[in-house]
Amino acid sequence: AQKVTQAQTEISVVEKEDVTLDCVYETRDTTYYLFWYKQPPSGELVFLIRRNSFDEQNEISGRYSWNFQKSTSSFNFTITASQVVDSAVYFCALSGRGNTDKLIFGTGTRLQVFP
Amino acid sequence: NADVMQNPRHLVRRRGQEARLRCSPMKGHSHVYWYRQLPEEGLKFMVYLQKENIIDESGMPKERFSAEFPKEGPSILRIQQVVRGDSAAYFCASSPSLGLVEAKNIQYFGAGTRLSVL
Repeated sequence: AQKVTQAQTEISVVEKEDVTLDCVYETRDTTYYLFWYKQPPSGELVFLIRRNSFDEQNEISGRYSWNFQKSTSSFNFTITASQVVDSAVYFCALSGRGNTDKLIFGTGTRLQVFP
Repeated sequence: NADVMQNPRHLVRRRGQEARLRCSPMKGHSHVYWYRQLPEEGLKFMVYLQKENIIDESGMPKERFSAEFPKEGPSILRIQQVVRGDSAAYFCASSPSLGLVEAKNIQYFGAGTRLSVL
């Protein structure tokens, strides 16, 4: 069975703090994909990143970075120097092989960044 | 993401009425997925369709719910005889056809339809 766990329900930080959102997954597939999506207060889901199971390189995009570790089945997301506009619910998701598979979502982490 | 168009954005129905939710995928996308988000929860897969075919409906309730993606026009998620428990946000996502390796497997979401059942 596939499962995604986001143990942090809600995180509050003050602007300019760094924050890490945790994601732990379970799958029996040898080929799989991991995703992060952002859901701002307006409600839409915004794609942030996709990582496949063969690529364990960490990725950095501006203030965002992702740490993928197969040994611990984790795909954590760090926001450096957080801003108020980062306030949103962040979802980690897992998909099996191929582009026909459904996404399995975690329950999300609500991030509030205060000025 | 705004290129995946869902309408209406908000829908209010009374118990027993029908709800029809529409989704137009991104241009060039022929795969459509529907997900449901209950309040304070993550998204749950409902159904995956390609043009004129239902590929996986394992997440869709057996009764009252149906989905289609006709050759022409948007994908439709239909809920008959709605009940209060159907109140949720319904999201549609689309992904490219097979063969686009770099874009493979990324699902792009619409803004959702928020259904309220009175």
